[in-house]
Amino acid sequence: NAGVMQNPRHLVRRRGQEARLRCSPMKGHSHVYWYRQLPEEGLKFMVYLQKENIIDESGMPKERFSAEFPKEGPSILRIQQVVRGDSAAYFCASSPPSRDLLEQYFGPGTRLTVT
Amino acid sequence: AQSVSQHNHHVILSEAASLELGCNYSYGGTVNLFWYVQYPGQHLQLLLKYFSGDPLVKGIKGFEAEFIKSKFSFNLRKPSVQWSDTAEYFCAVNAGSQGNLIFGKGTKLSVKP
Repeated sequence: NAGVMQNPRHLVRRRGQEARLRCSPMKGHSHVYWYRQLPEEGLKFMVYLQKENIIDESGMPKERFSAEFPKEGPSILRIQQVVRGDSAAYFCASSPPSRDLLEQYFGPGTRLTVT
Repeated sequence: AQSVSQHNHHVILSEAASLELGCNYSYGGTVNLFWYVQYPGQHLQLLLKYFSGDPLVKGIKGFEAEFIKSKFSFNLRKPSVQWSDTAEYFCAVNAGSQGNLIFGKGTKLSVKP
C-alpha cells in the first residue's frame, strides 16, 4: 500500500516563475492537507481539500497561492510569480474519509528553492 | 489563537539516558494530540496519538506520552534512548472540529553513541 506521494522532491525556480507541487494521497483517502515548513519553524497549515472542494484555506496567503484536488488525479499546490520567501519545504498529508479526520499521513515533502 | 509550544529546541543525550520532551498547547476545548517524528532525510511519521480515555498513551519504539489536561500538556517520554532515536520531534494538536493540525516548532534530539 503506497504512502502519500509528492513530486517533485526538489524544485528550483527563478523569481517570477510558477511552481507546481503535486500530491497523490494514500489509496482510499479523500482528504488532503498542505503544510509549509520554513527553516527553523514547525509545519504551518495552508489548506484542506476534499475531492473538488476547498474546505479550509485559512492558512493560504491571499495572493499567488492556489490549490486544487480534482476528481481525477493528484492535488496541486500552485505558486505563481515565486519570490525568495516562498523557499520552504511543502508537505502534503492525507486522511481517510471518516467523520473524525483524526489521523493524517504525510508525504516526503517538496523542497522549493527560489533563486 | 491556538498554539503549540515545544520548550526545547535541541536536546543532546547519551545512549541509555531518559528522555522527556515538553509540549504545551493553548486551547480550552476538546483536543486530539499527536507526536510525530522526522528522521534525517525522511518524512513525518506518527509516533503516538491521544484522542480520549487513558491519558497515558504508548506509541511505537518505546515512546509514551502523558496528557495532563489541567496543565494543557502532552509531554513525550522514553526511559532509555538509542542512537537511532536521533531525529526531530513535533508535537501537534487537532482542535475541536477542525481538520488541520497545529504544530509546535519541533525539538531536535541528538543521541550520542
